[in-house]
Formats: sequence, structure tokens, C-alpha cells
Amino acid sequence: EAQVTQNPRYLITVTGKKLTVTCSQNMNHEYMSWYRQDPGLGLRQIYYSMNVEVTDKGDVPEGYKVSRKEKRNFPLILESPSPNQTSLYFCASSTKTGTGKFANTGELFFGEGSRLTVL
Amino acid sequence: GDSVTQMEGPVTLSEEAFLTINCTYTATGYPSLFWYVQYPGEGLQLLLKATKADDKGSNKGFEATYRKETTSFHLEKGSVQVSDSAVYFCALSDNGSSNTGKLIFGQGTTLQVKP
Repeated sequence: EAQVTQNPRYLITVTGKKLTVTCSQNMNHEYMSWYRQDPGLGLRQIYYSMNVEVTDKGDVPEGYKVSRKEKRNFPLILESPSPNQTSLYFCASSTKTGTGKFANTGELFFGEGSRLTVL
Repeated sequence: GDSVTQMEGPVTLSEEAFLTINCTYTATGYPSLFWYVQYPGEGLQLLLKATKADDKGSNKGFEATYRKETTSFHLEKGSVQVSDSAVYFCALSDNGSSNTGKLIFGQGTTLQVKP
């Protein structure tokens, strides 16, 4: 079954304690991205990756890191979490059509979400 | 920058009522437009999409038409069911020169359908 898998689904942690949210997709997608969802703000992109070893900042990257060492995995790292990072996080992946600068992404497939609370 | 504005919710309807959720956008270039649906406790799923002006996307009885002249992509369904209760997100793709592959989302509209 084609899917995007995130772990953990729920996590309560304390300020400053490093954590990683894993994301894995089994669709051989080149493009992967992280979003956070907050009430009244919709979804905002944190980081994205066009392919292995290619990552870039989205709209709200502060306080987050990512890596893309393998095509299927795109972990989100919070080095020193703070309460304003309490949110619902979604990983997403997509195929990519075209090449280089003019490549476009197709439909985004989302994981089920990871609800993070930072105390 | 590009943006999407949706009508505020929640929208509460009785079963079999007609649904409209308004969505307008601001964009440079020629974005693709999407409606995603989020059922309770789940991730977002693509409901329908349109890639150019005057295209109509449709799926599961839902429809939306890409109207460039009014910069709108309103979601409609003729007869809603209780199972349609969910949060609906309008989105546009960043297919311009920045090419981030990003989807820009509206804030979401909660639909509650009562039996």
C-alpha cells in the first residue's frame, strides 16, 4: 500500500530536549516536505527536499533541521524544542515532473500527522 | 506573495443540503488549484484539482471550477452526507519561478453535517 509513515504520532516533551520526527514514503517520490498545522493558520511549509541531499527552507524553518540521505526518508529534527513549536506536523511526498529549474510537483501525499506538545 | 483565502467556518448543514465553500486566491503566473480534505485524526487527502483556467475538478460528488477572471475555486456538492464532515483546505501550487513545489493552503473550513 502506498503511504507516508510518520513517527511518533503523539509526543509530549519538555523545552530543550532534542527530538526527531521520522518520515518515510514507499512510493519512490523525489519530492518531500514538512508542514505544520496551527489553528487559523492552515498549513505552513517548514522545509522541503527536491531529491536526495537537496533540501531548502520553507516559510517557517526557524528551530528545525532536516536531512535527506536516502530517497525514502526525510526526518524533522528539533534540536532545542520550545513551546511555540507545539503543533501538528505533517510530512508529505510527491512525484516530480520535468527536470531542473522547471520541474513541478504533482499531488502531495500526506502522512497521518504527528502531534507534538512542548512543555 | 501568493495566498489563498477561504470562508470561515464552521459550516453546519443538514444531510442532503447543498454545500458551497468559497475559495479565492492571489497568485502570479498560472498556479494549479486543489481541494484537500482532512477527516478527524487523519492526514490530508487530495479531493480534486484543476490545472488551468476553466478546468473543472470533480470527485465523490464534489466539484470546483478554476475561474481565472474571479480568481476563485469554490467547492460545491449537491447533497452532503454525514460522512462528508471534515476540514476542507483550498490550496494553490507554487509552479512559478521560485519552483519550491510548495502548496500554499488556506486556513481550512470545518464542515459539520447533521443527520
